[in-house]
Amino acid sequence: SQWGEENLQALSIQEGEDVTMNCSYKTYTTVVQWYRQKSGKGPALIILIRSNEREKRSGRLRATLDTSSQSSSLSITGTLATDTAVYFCATDAGGLSGKLTFGEGTQVTVIS
Amino acid sequence: EAAVTQSPRSKVAVTGGKVTLSCHQTNNHDYMYWYRQDTGHGLRLIHYSYVADSTEKGDIPDGYKASRPSQENFSLILELASLSQTAVYFCASSDRGQISNERLFFGHGTKLSVL
Repeated sequence: SQWGEENLQALSIQEGEDVTMNCSYKTYTTVVQWYRQKSGKGPALIILIRSNEREKRSGRLRATLDTSSQSSSLSITGTLATDTAVYFCATDAGGLSGKLTFGEGTQVTVIS
Repeated sequence: EAAVTQSPRSKVAVTGGKVTLSCHQTNNHDYMYWYRQDTGHGLRLIHYSYVADSTEKGDIPDGYKASRPSQENFSLILELASLSQTAVYFCASSDRGQISNERLFFGHGTKLSVL
C-alpha cells in the first residue's frame, strides 16, 4: 500500500491477470484521485472517486473508497502490457489551494 | 486535451548556480503547481499559484522561489542550486475554480541534475 515514508511498492504480474493496489491516507479528503505515470512521462488522471462514493468504475478500472478507514483501492482487470506504469493515489483536502498530496506509488509491471 | 509544456526537458547545473525552470499552459487554467519527484518516490508540492502575480508555498518550499507573471506562465527558480535538488520537476495546471474540475494536467517533467 502507499503512503507515509514507504518506498515505492512493486508488483509484477502476467498479462491478463487482475491487480489491486491500496492506498491509505492520513487526513480528511474530499476526493481520491488515481494517477498513472508511464516511464518518462508526467502523471495522468485515470479515475477519481469522491468522498460520498464507495465505488467507481471506468472500463477495466475500479476504485473504492472507505472514508472510515481512510483507505482507497484501485483494481485493474484483465491487465495489458500497456498497463505497465507507476500508479499514485492523491488526496485533496478541499478548499481554495487545490493541493493534492500524493502517495509513494505502486510500480506495476505487466509481463506479456 | 489540456496542454502543459515544460522547458528545458533536462538540465545539468553546477552547485551554487542559478536555475530557472519554465512552464507554459494553454488551458486557460487559473491554478498552476510545481511538484518535485525523487527516484522511487511520489510527488511533493513545492509552490503553487491560483492567480497571476501571486504564488503560495507548498509543502517543501525551502530553496525554491516561484514566479507567475501571467496566467499562462509559471516558473520555478533555484537561486543557489544544491546537490539535494537533483530530481525530476513537474508542472501542472488545473481548472479548480470550476466545480468537479479538481484533476491536474501535468507536463512531461524536467530532469534536473546538480553536480
